[in-house]
Amino acid sequence: AQSVTQLDSQVPVFEEAPVELRCNYSSSVSVYLFWYVQYPNQGLQLLLKYLSGSTLVKGINGFEAEFNKSQTSFHLRKPSVHISDTAEYFCAVSGRFSGGYNKLIFGAGTRLAVHP
Amino acid sequence: DTGVSQNPRHKITKRGQNVTFRCDPISEHNRLYWYRQTLGQGPEFLTYFQNEAQLEKSRLLSDRFSAERPKGSFSTLEIQRTEQGDSAMYLCASSWIQGHGNEQFFGPGTRLTVL
Repeated sequence: AQSVTQLDSQVPVFEEAPVELRCNYSSSVSVYLFWYVQYPNQGLQLLLKYLSGSTLVKGINGFEAEFNKSQTSFHLRKPSVHISDTAEYFCAVSGRFSGGYNKLIFGAGTRLAVHP
Repeated sequence: DTGVSQNPRHKITKRGQNVTFRCDPISEHNRLYWYRQTLGQGPEFLTYFQNEAQLEKSRLLSDRFSAERPKGSFSTLEIQRTEQGDSAMYLCASSWIQGHGNEQFFGPGTRLTVL
């Protein structure tokens, strides 16, 4: 079965420090990978996605992620975080399971807390 | 384009009552999805529509849950005889079938509390 594991439930970091949020997935088929951000009491907003091509993907708000097929990972990074980056971050995968790229399978989320 | 909208944003109900949520997708999107998110967890897929056809349902979607998308526009999710375990955030998303990698756009969600 397909699954997504976010290795850290919470990541505290000081403002302007770099951060990495880790994501590993399990799938026997080709996948698309996504990172979403969720601010309190809001829906999910897409940060970035990997479909094919370059394994380094750049997204909004200065975030980037690297797809590593051999390690089945898709870690999210930002070189310098701001207080406003405090939120819940979700890694998700879709693939040719259940008949097609028809649903997203999410990890449990990582809460990023940026401190001044 | 105002994005995906959901109503109501919050719903408090007593156990055993029926509730209905509405989702209005982005107008040109032909796929619509429902997810459920419980506290501290990521969203879990419930069901999706392509136009008006419901093409997949998760085993999470018990017989008390029913979703419709008449005319392939807005969708409703009804929960009959609510239970306390139904308390969650219900998220709706939409996408365009030929969009890049099935990118899904999410609404703000409906938070259900069953007392």
